[in-house]
Amino acid sequence: QVQLVESGGGVVQPGRSLRLSCAASGFTFSRYGMHWVRQAPGKGLEWVAVISYDGTNKYYGDSVKGRFTVSRDNSKNTLYLQTNSLRAEDTAVYYCAKDVNYGFGYFDYWGQGTLVTVSS
Amino acid sequence: EIVMTQSPATLSVSPGERATLSCRASQSVDSDLAWYQHKPGQAPRLLIYDVSTRATGVPARFSGSGSGTEFTLAISSLQSEDFAVYYCQHYNNWPPLTFGGGTKVELK
Repeated sequence: QVQLVESGGGVVQPGRSLRLSCAASGFTFSRYGMHWVRQAPGKGLEWVAVISYDGTNKYYGDSVKGRFTVSRDNSKNTLYLQTNSLRAEDTAVYYCAKDVNYGFGYFDYWGQGTLVTVSS
Repeated sequence: EIVMTQSPATLSVSPGERATLSCRASQSVDSDLAWYQHKPGQAPRLLIYDVSTRATGVPARFSGSGSGTEFTLAISSLQSEDFAVYYCQHYNNWPPLTFGGGTKVELK
């Protein structure tokens, strides 16, 4: 069965960095686009980034553009999100989500999420 | 950016009743519209894609309809496990992908 397991969250000071990981199993990881979606406390879902199946195409939401970088290692079935210059408003649960195909833009499986708290 | 607006924010329903949730897009998204169910502490779950196609394993009491800018998710007879937050999301002409603000279906 498909499993997505995020890790790497924690408490970090404003301006610092954190790298999130998402370990995938149960499907051919290298064939699918992958996304990051976040949910701030008490708020709704916000799309963060997408990476194509082969890592050549990457797109970001405006709120993280220039600060976050999505990447993947298909040999390790792992998705990453490098988060730099963190701000209080980046505090959220970060989910990785599998695209239904190479990049249709909706998600058939999600992880349980990892919490990032940006606070001094 | 396409803005997705959901209403109502909260819907109070008794078990066995019908629930109707609305989602409006700021411009046409054709049929590129999905619905998700999200319970606290759990991963969101895909319910509906392409406006009206149920995802694998989703009960028939969930149905989606609409086109262009106006969409509806209906739950025909609410079960206890259906109390959750529901989000619509477009995937037309992206990035960016955007979600509605969510509708919380709560016990009346």
